[in-house]
Amino acid sequence: GESVGLHLPTLSVQEGDNSIINCAYSNSASDYFIWYKQESGKGPQFIIDIRSNMDKRQGQRVTVLLNKTVKHLSLQIAATQPGDSAVYFCADSNQGGKLIFGQGTELSVKP
Amino acid sequence: KAGVTQTPRYLIKTRGQQVTLSCSPISGHRSVSWYQQTPGQGLQFLFEYFSETQRNKGNFPGRFSGRQFSNSRSEMNVSTLELGDSALYLCASSSGQGLMNTEAFFGQGTRLTVV
Repeated sequence: GESVGLHLPTLSVQEGDNSIINCAYSNSASDYFIWYKQESGKGPQFIIDIRSNMDKRQGQRVTVLLNKTVKHLSLQIAATQPGDSAVYFCADSNQGGKLIFGQGTELSVKP
Repeated sequence: KAGVTQTPRYLIKTRGQQVTLSCSPISGHRSVSWYQQTPGQGLQFLFEYFSETQRNKGNFPGRFSGRQFSNSRSEMNVSTLELGDSALYLCASSSGQGLMNTEAFFGQGTRLTVV
């Protein structure tokens, strides 16, 4: 069945370093991808999205890379800060309104 | 612009009871989706409504149902509650124009505990 997976359940980085969170998806028809950040006790917060006609998109301190050949996307966070500590989810969609989520990667930032 | 509002934030119910959760989307958004989040299963899609019509449905039993009103507010209902229904229920709002995927923004969720 359709699935979205993450390579690592946890990631620990030093404050100021760059973080890379990876995600693999299975549905080659997926044409839209979103990264979310979820802090404890809160709903997922939209970070950045990318459509399948792009291979890279940049936001403020974040970059998403999409490799459709191997069905892989990654989220890069530059100069990671303690406030970036959270669980990060990738989600993909090939149908309006339905997102398929990965299991999440917990990012811990050490001061 | 106000974000997505879910009520109530917390709920405790007994097995066998039913529950109704409410979601008010971002003003102007016509698509509302519901998700269940549990530690074991992660975030799972329940259903999506657009302009008062269910447009998409996940793999949940018929005890889970929903509806959307003309002002785009949505409710979901769970009947005959089971212990396994304990979860964080999340609502997401998007403009949902046509079938093109657009940014989806989540509310804070309703934490349901079934005892």
